[in-house]
Formats: sequence, structure tokens, C-alpha cells
Amino acid sequence: DAKTTQPPSMDCAEGRAANLPCNHSTISGNEYVYWYRQIHSQGPQYIIHGLKNNETNEMASLIITEDRKSSTLILPHATLRDTAVYYCIVRSSENKLVFGAGTILRVKS
Amino acid sequence: NAGVTQTPKFQVLKTGQSMTLQCAQDMNHNSMYWYRQDPGMGLRLIYYSASEGTTDKGEVPNGYNVSRLNKREFSLRLESAAPSQTSVYFCASSGDSTYGYTFGSGTRLTVV
Repeated sequence: DAKTTQPPSMDCAEGRAANLPCNHSTISGNEYVYWYRQIHSQGPQYIIHGLKNNETNEMASLIITEDRKSSTLILPHATLRDTAVYYCIVRSSENKLVFGAGTILRVKS
Repeated sequence: NAGVTQTPKFQVLKTGQSMTLQCAQDMNHNSMYWYRQDPGMGLRLIYYSASEGTTDKGEVPNGYNVSRLNKREFSLRLESAAPSQTSVYFCASSGDSTYGYTFGSGTRLTVV
């Protein structure tokens, strides 16, 4: 399974965009990049996923570099409720999600 | 409401006791998973079931057994609980390989 590397923590001002980076330099051509978040020990929540193209939904945008070795999750207008641990995961062909340590995002007023 | 239901939500066991954690999903998903999360750490996969009738080991299977009872239900059993199994346990399910996972709200287990 491809490994991911994320910064351990980030701060963001309320109302500003939060840009969370992720490196996945060993990703294979058919592996998807998934983003989840976990708020205060609740079950992880699906945010977005992509293969090659940039993706956007009501929660966030996902920007994947052309070589697919890194990606950025963008929360366009962060709120205090977006404070959470964000996990970047490369999903294997065996259909398993392997979680890393994630990035603790602190949104501050 | 559609989703993944875990029972119980909280449990305290004495060392050596056994128990079964229950998980059920109503989304007609083929795959189901059990994870554990220790304080300050990410989730680690214990066992998974790619389809009804099949189960496979994940990263940390020792001390656990699972049963995929039918398409809806996937249970996790601790035969002889140890303090090292104190953790939060999450069950999840997913459809085909492009779908995300849906997680339950977790079972908080303490072994004393």
C-alpha cells in the first residue's frame, strides 16, 4: 500500500481557506486518494476522493498534482467546527484504507 | 437512518473476560471492517470482510476473532480480554472499490 506523509499539525484563521498538503510519492496508477476527518473521537467522516482530476464537492476541493505524487485538500472557508484530525489515505486495490497519523487542523477565531 | 450501527457504545471488562462487539449496516455494502484507535493515534485495521462469507486479517489481528454473519452484520470477538485491548473500536462498511467508507460511532472498551 502506498504510504502518505502529512504535517502533524496546522493552524488556520476562521473564515480563511485551509490548505492541507499530503505527499504520496509511491502511489500506483490505479490507486485513489481519499480524505477523511475525525472530529473529537467520533467515527471518521468521508470528505472527498480523486484519482487524477481535481475534485470539488460541498465540503472541500481536492487538488492532485499531474504526477499524482502529492495532493492538497482545500476547505475554502474554514469554521471552528472544521477543527479535526484530517487523514490523507491512498486506497489500495485490495479495497482497504490504511490510516496514518493525520494532520491536526486547529481553526482559530 | 441509513448507516453503521455499533453496540454497545461503552463497555468495561475485567482481564480474561470475553465479549462480542456488534456491527450492522443497512446500505447493502459488500465490505465491512473493524478498526481500533488508541489515544492520540490513527486507526489500525484489525480484520475485514470483502464479502459475505469471507474474512481476512488486517494489521493487528492478534487476540481477536470475527464473524461475518450475513451481508449486514460483522461481529468482533475478544475471547480473553487484556488491558492492551483498551481502545475505541470502529466498524465501517463500503460498497465497490471507488466508494468511501461509512463509519459507526465507535465502542469505547476499557479492560481493567
